[in-house]
Amino acid sequence: GQQVMQIPQYQHVQEGEDFTTYCNSSTTLSNIQWYKQRPGGHPVFLIQLVKSGEVKKQKRLTFQFGEAKKNSSLHITATQTTDVGTYFCAGQGIQGAQKLVFGQGTRLTINP
Amino acid sequence: GAVVSQHPSWVICKSGTSVKIECRSLDFQATTMFWYRQFPKQSLMLMATSNEGSKATYEQGVEKDKFLINHASLTLSTLTVTSAHPEDSSFYICSAGGTAESYEQYFGPGTRLTVT
Repeated sequence: GQQVMQIPQYQHVQEGEDFTTYCNSSTTLSNIQWYKQRPGGHPVFLIQLVKSGEVKKQKRLTFQFGEAKKNSSLHITATQTTDVGTYFCAGQGIQGAQKLVFGQGTRLTINP
Repeated sequence: GAVVSQHPSWVICKSGTSVKIECRSLDFQATTMFWYRQFPKQSLMLMATSNEGSKATYEQGVEKDKFLINHASLTLSTLTVTSAHPEDSSFYICSAGGTAESYEQYFGPGTRLTVT
């Protein structure tokens, strides 16, 4: 079945440093979504990428979708303490099912 | 954005008892809802897809007789953990959404189940 691998599992940075997490799917995706989960909270939708090679920005966050629609990345520039949390990518296959397959998540901690 | 609620937010039960968790879409209709389980510091694992008016579709390895899902209306899906055991202790999260315009899923706040 479809698998989504995400690395790194953990990332600790100094405030102000950049951060990147990467996702790789075993199969071609119809779209990929990114979620953020704060400690003790539930996943909150950040963005979805649908088109091959798509790049979207949200302030300090840059999301990319690979040309083959199998990989994606999230890059945060100049991290702030409010960026702390676990970032998940989640892919939807091209078979038409709505279900999301989540990556393992990258837990970001920041030293102020 | 759309709101999904879950009830209860946390529950403690004794081993062998059953627990029902409700998932409601508050301001939209959801023909499909999803149930996930999340262990501490781990990812969300899809348990089943709940379809309004029909049987749920369970993921491989999820016991359908243990995790009963009912989606009786377009705004309510329930997950019942039957004969709960300590290993069923987890964070259970539902989601709904996904339209022709957006694939976005809206997640409920989750239910933390502790089985003693």
